[in-house]
Amino acid sequence: SQKIEQNSEALNIQEGKTATLTCNYTNYSPAYLQWYRQDPGRGPVFLLLIRENEKEKRKERLKVTFDTTLKQSLFHITASQPADSATYLCAANTGTASKLTFGTGTRLQVTL
Amino acid sequence: DAGVIQSPRHEVTEMGQEVTLRCKPISGHNSLFWYRQTMMRGLELLIYFNNNVPIDDSGMPEDRFSAKMPNASFSTLKIQPSEPRDSAVYFCASSLMDRYNEQFFGPGTRLTVL
Repeated sequence: SQKIEQNSEALNIQEGKTATLTCNYTNYSPAYLQWYRQDPGRGPVFLLLIRENEKEKRKERLKVTFDTTLKQSLFHITASQPADSATYLCAANTGTASKLTFGTGTRLQVTL
Repeated sequence: DAGVIQSPRHEVTEMGQEVTLRCKPISGHNSLFWYRQTMMRGLELLIYFNNNVPIDDSGMPEDRFSAKMPNASFSTLKIQPSEPRDSAVYFCASSLMDRYNEQFFGPGTRLTVL
């Protein structure tokens, strides 16, 4: 079956460092991946989209890569700040165009 | 823009009762999605609509769950009868109907079934 997998363990890093989160997918080839941020008690908020023909996408301190050979996307936050602490969700389209399957998310904690 | 609006924000009910969750999508969006989020299973798509028509309901767990979208500005998710295992946060999201478009999520409804 189609799976989106993220590291369920929390990632703890020091302020100013680069945080790298991993998203792996199996048993299919998504046309694109999306990354969302979710804060406690709130709904997910869209951050970035990367298409299968794009290797890398950037937005301010955020960078996403898409490696179709490794079936993996990496999400980087450079110069991380305590305000970046949240859960980050990876999502991939599956089946019909509008349908997304989400990973379980990775919680990022940035400390001073 | 008010964003996606969901009501109620919290619902506590007893097993066997009917529960109705409500969603108002962003004006102009023509796709609407209902998700359920739990610690164990993460965010799961239950059903989605394009132009008010249900397209994929394969994620609806069983016949106790039903969803409707009578018009472009309103949708409901109903659970009847509710069971303790239905306890979760239910999110509604909307988007423009394009394969690459981001989804805008509401604040969610936290449902507790005792």
